[in-house]
Amino acid sequence: DIQLTQSPSSLSASLGDTVTITCRASQRIDTYLHWYQLRPGQAPRLVIFAASTLPTGVPPTFSGTGSGTDFTLTISGLQPDDIASYYCQQSFSLPYTFGQGTKLEIK
Amino acid sequence: QVQLVQSGSELKKPGASVKVSCKVSGYTFTSHALNWVRQAPGQGLEWMGWINTNNGNPTYAHGFGGRFVFSLDTSVSTAYLQINGLKAEDTAVYYCARDQVAAGYMDVWGRGTTVTVSS
Repeated sequence: DIQLTQSPSSLSASLGDTVTITCRASQRIDTYLHWYQLRPGQAPRLVIFAASTLPTGVPPTFSGTGSGTDFTLTISGLQPDDIASYYCQQSFSLPYTFGQGTKLEIK
Repeated sequence: QVQLVQSGSELKKPGASVKVSCKVSGYTFTSHALNWVRQAPGQGLEWMGWINTNNGNPTYAHGFGGRFVFSLDTSVSTAYLQINGLKAEDTAVYYCARDQVAAGYMDVWGRGTTVTVSS
C-alpha cells in the first residue's frame, strides 16, 4: 500500500497568515493526490484535486503543488472558515490511502 | 444540487448489526461509484472500499472484508453499509463519498453517520 506522510500534524496560525501543509508519498504517484477539509459536524470538502486543481466553489486562497512524491497545500490569508483538519489522499493505486491529517488552529 | 444524505446516528450493543444508508440526489445514481470512509474517534480517515453502482460489485479494503457489506438499491438511489457482529472498535463516523471515476478523488461527501457500539 502507498503510505502518505503529512506534516505537521498540527499547526497554529493567525488570521491572515499563509500556511503550508506537506504530504509525502512512499512511492511516485504522479499527480494522483487530493486534499480534503474536515470541519466537525460537516461533510468533508474536496479543496484540491489532481495535486493542483481547484474545484468549482473553492476560493483561490487554496492552492496545491507537487508531483511524484512531494506535495503541498497552501492556504493564503487564513480565514475563520479555514480552521479545520486537512487530509491528503492518493488514488494512484488501490487501496486509496489518506495521510494522517493536519489540524489547523487559530493562534 | 448533488447531495448525499446519510441516515442518523446509531447506538448498538456488541454483536448486533447496523445498516447505514446513503441516499443520493442531483445526478444519475449509476454514473459514479460510491466510497465508504471511516473515521474512528481521534483518528484520521480510512478508506473502507467502494461499490460499483452499475453492477453492485463491491471492493473492500484490507480489514473490511467479512463483517462489512456494501449494497445498493438503485430504485431509490441509495447505497448501504451493513456492519455485522459489531465490536467496540467499530465505533466511528462512517462517510459515503462520490468517486470521480479514473481520477479517484471524492468530490461530494455525506455528513457522516456516527455508529456507537457500547454495552
